[in-house]
Amino acid sequence: KQEVTQIPAALSVPEGENLVLNCSFTDSAIYNLQWFRQDPGKGLTSLLLIQSSQREQTSGRLNASLDKSSGRSTLYIAASQPGDSATYLCAVKAAGNKLTFGGGTRVLVKP
Amino acid sequence: DAGVTQSPTHLIKTRGQHVTLRCSPISGHKSVSWYQQVLGQGPQFIFQYYEKEERGRGNFPDRFSARQFPNYSSELNVNALLLGDSALYLCASSLEASSSSTDTQYFGPGTRLTVL
Repeated sequence: KQEVTQIPAALSVPEGENLVLNCSFTDSAIYNLQWFRQDPGKGLTSLLLIQSSQREQTSGRLNASLDKSSGRSTLYIAASQPGDSATYLCAVKAAGNKLTFGGGTRVLVKP
Repeated sequence: DAGVTQSPTHLIKTRGQHVTLRCSPISGHKSVSWYQQVLGQGPQFIFQYYEKEERGRGNFPDRFSARQFPNYSSELNVNALLLGDSALYLCASSLEASSSSTDTQYFGPGTRLTVL
């Protein structure tokens, strides 16, 4: 059974610092891994999707890496801003076409 | 183009009642998935439908059921509501129900269900 873990559960940083969010999964037989952002009480916004054959994906200040063999992904957010405050979720897609999510990392960027 | 839409936005029910949640996928998407997100946790997979057929089911009791209509919209039904069913219910649509690594799921805003 696939299990996804995100550590830490919460993170607080001053504005301008780089954010590093971690995601680990137990079964390396995945099709892709996605990072999502969720604002309080809202739905999920897809940030980056990394295919199983890829090592990393970049979009603006966001960069996500994937090491399938070790079951790890890292999301880097450069030069954090107060608007980056949200919960960040990672999810893996494997057999059965469902997404398995981690518990999320709640981020607070202090001005 | 409109994204995934869900209705209602919020819902309050009492224990033992029944609820129906609705989802309209992105135009051209044929697959709809449902997820339950309890406060403070990540979403949990409930169902996936493609071309009106169930393609996947998560570890939820039979009180949970769903269906997909010819226009690809979907309903999630929950019978005999329990306090523990209080959650944000998310709908996601995708082009297909394939194992393609590029087949992305797009999420709606969710329906917040409160069971008293």
